[in-house]
Amino acid sequence: DAKTTQPPSMDCAEGRAANLPCNHSTISGNEYVYWYRQIHSQGPQYIIHGLKNNETNEMASLIITEDRKSSTLILPHATLRDTAVYYCIVRVPNTGGFKTIFGAGTRLFVKA
Amino acid sequence: EPEVTQTPSHQVTQMGQEVILRCVPISNHLYFYWYRQILGQKVEFLVSFYNNEISEKSEIFDDQFSVERPDGSNFTLKIRSTKLEDSAMYFCASSEGQGAHTGELFFGEGSRLTVL
Repeated sequence: DAKTTQPPSMDCAEGRAANLPCNHSTISGNEYVYWYRQIHSQGPQYIIHGLKNNETNEMASLIITEDRKSSTLILPHATLRDTAVYYCIVRVPNTGGFKTIFGAGTRLFVKA
Repeated sequence: EPEVTQTPSHQVTQMGQEVILRCVPISNHLYFYWYRQILGQKVEFLVSFYNNEISEKSEIFDDQFSVERPDGSNFTLKIRSTKLEDSAMYFCASSEGQGAHTGELFFGEGSRLTVL
């Protein structure tokens, strides 16, 4: 699976959009981008995933650049409860020994 | 909404004892996983399980560890002869499949293991 690079931490004001970047410059054509988050000491939570088109669900939007070398997770109106570690993971479905590997992620602090 | 449940939420044990952590995955899921997270560190993959056998395991998952699906609902992690460094939060996860839209992991709230 391709390696991802994320900033270690970010701040965001409550009510503003939180834009979390992820670099995956070595991504291959069949690798998907997945985002999870982990709120303090809880189990990681799936947020969204995509291949090349932008995706949106009730939690977030995922913007993938045209060359697919980077992506941005957008939380449109961040709340204090969105303070968490956000993980960007790249993997090929149906392969990889059925494992998802978590990196260090980005620690997002949402401030009042 | 269906969820993965784990018991116990916290277990304290003496070094050298055996512990069993239990998980009830989401009922229609076919793939099961254990992860662990030492305090302040990354979430680490331990093992994946499918069709009643281990699909893949990490270097951490040595002979001290074993997994079992003893019945149609439970998925257990056994740690034999616990060591101080086994103290961690252990997360169980399950997924419906491995495809692009079925491979999302659903995690439980974790079992905190403290080895004294």
